[in-house]
Amino acid sequence: QQQVKQSPQSLIVQKGGISIINCAYENTAFDYFPWYQQFPGKGPALLIAIRPDVSEKKEGRFTISFNKSAKQFSLHIMDSQPGDSATYFCAAGRYGQNFVFGPGTRLSVLP
Amino acid sequence: ETGVTQSPTHLIKTRGQQVTLRCSSQSGHNTVSWYQQALGQGPQFIFQYYREEENGRGNFPPRFSGLQFPNYSSELNVNALELDDSALYLCASSLTGGIGYTFGSGTRLTVV
Repeated sequence: QQQVKQSPQSLIVQKGGISIINCAYENTAFDYFPWYQQFPGKGPALLIAIRPDVSEKKEGRFTISFNKSAKQFSLHIMDSQPGDSATYFCAAGRYGQNFVFGPGTRLSVLP
Repeated sequence: ETGVTQSPTHLIKTRGQQVTLRCSSQSGHNTVSWYQQALGQGPQFIFQYYREEENGRGNFPPRFSGLQFPNYSSELNVNALELDDSALYLCASSLTGGIGYTFGSGTRLTVV
């Protein structure tokens, strides 16, 4: 019940395109779903997060869509830029406690 | 306001040795969590410290232990190192309740 599944493993998008990464969780007690961006040699940095009381959250070019009944959530990156090339991790957990991370998606945005 | 700092950034140890990794939490943060990130994988929770006490632990053996000091900095100790312990070790600090959860850049441990 602790696993978080993430797909795709890797993603190649043209500049200006939309990047979509999907995640699924199992533990219905989870109430906090952050997305992290990680560049090589750096720690993960919080990108955007959502609580299950809303179905969508948007911050700039980044949007989280959340489907509580399906236990799925996704990250959409609009107008993808080469600077967005990084590894993206979804995570899930109880707010204020530790997270279970997905295996990551390596995004490459071609110029 | 400083972020989370970890030391050293890289180190190489021999199988069977012991290692200590250090983390200085972000100013004002009182909770420290440690994660292990194997190459090409997502971070895995090791344990969390709050008020100098272990406050949650993941599926790691007892040879992984930690400390938190009165200034909220923390150490991760690993005894009897195994080759599979080679990974990036990440420290994250936060306020009570998970507010401001922030990761450091990690320590890259290689066990040979």
